[in-house]
Amino acid sequence: SYELTQPLSVSVALGQTARVSCGGNNIESKNVHWYQQKPGQAPVLVIYRDSNRPSGIPERFSGSNSGNTATLTISRAQAGDEADYYCQVWDSNTAYVFGTGTKVTVL
Amino acid sequence: EVQLVESGGGLVQPGGSLRLSCAASGFIFSNTWMSWVRQAPGKGLEWVGRIKSKAGGGTTAYAAPVKDRFTISRDDSKNTLYLQMNSLKTEDTAVYYCTTVSTTATTAHFDSWGPGTLVTVSS
Repeated sequence: SYELTQPLSVSVALGQTARVSCGGNNIESKNVHWYQQKPGQAPVLVIYRDSNRPSGIPERFSGSNSGNTATLTISRAQAGDEADYYCQVWDSNTAYVFGTGTKVTVL
Repeated sequence: EVQLVESGGGLVQPGGSLRLSCAASGFIFSNTWMSWVRQAPGKGLEWVGRIKSKAGGGTTAYAAPVKDRFTISRDDSKNTLYLQMNSLKTEDTAVYYCTTVSTTATTAHFDSWGPGTLVTVSS
């Protein structure tokens, strides 16, 4: 089955750039989607198909995908960006696969 | 505006059954693939299953842990999605989210999510 690995936590200073990685075998051959989940709330889609932002998502959120790693980048991090972030792909064998999740802390 | 509202969660004993509902509005429900995703307390997201639109064949697919125990169905006349859960186990305890599914030929993601409903399986 296909697996996605994320770091448990990422810390970023206020106003700086946070990068959240999502590792998977030849992940560049797949489209990666990213979700933000704040405590007690449902997840929200922030990036789809590697680098596309849904309407209403700030331009500070961007995504890339190369080799065995996809990356969610949060520029000019704000206190409101503190959340858990999950990557997700669709795999022909495993269907819908989520990453292990990363807690982003803004210092 | 897309709205998804789950209901039907609660406390159930191991081996019992429960049916969740998801009332949808703000989009053309009958044309939309739908899915259930769950999250155990303090854990990550886990896909449960999905149902295609009738035009897409209306077929279902399930994750291995729930296959043969859970059944997804839809009533397009009521804009409602269902999750019938049988033979419940303690490990099924989770918040269950209803989601819309956006698909292309090679990928799929979850556009919109409901607030979730908590299912607790315990004696």
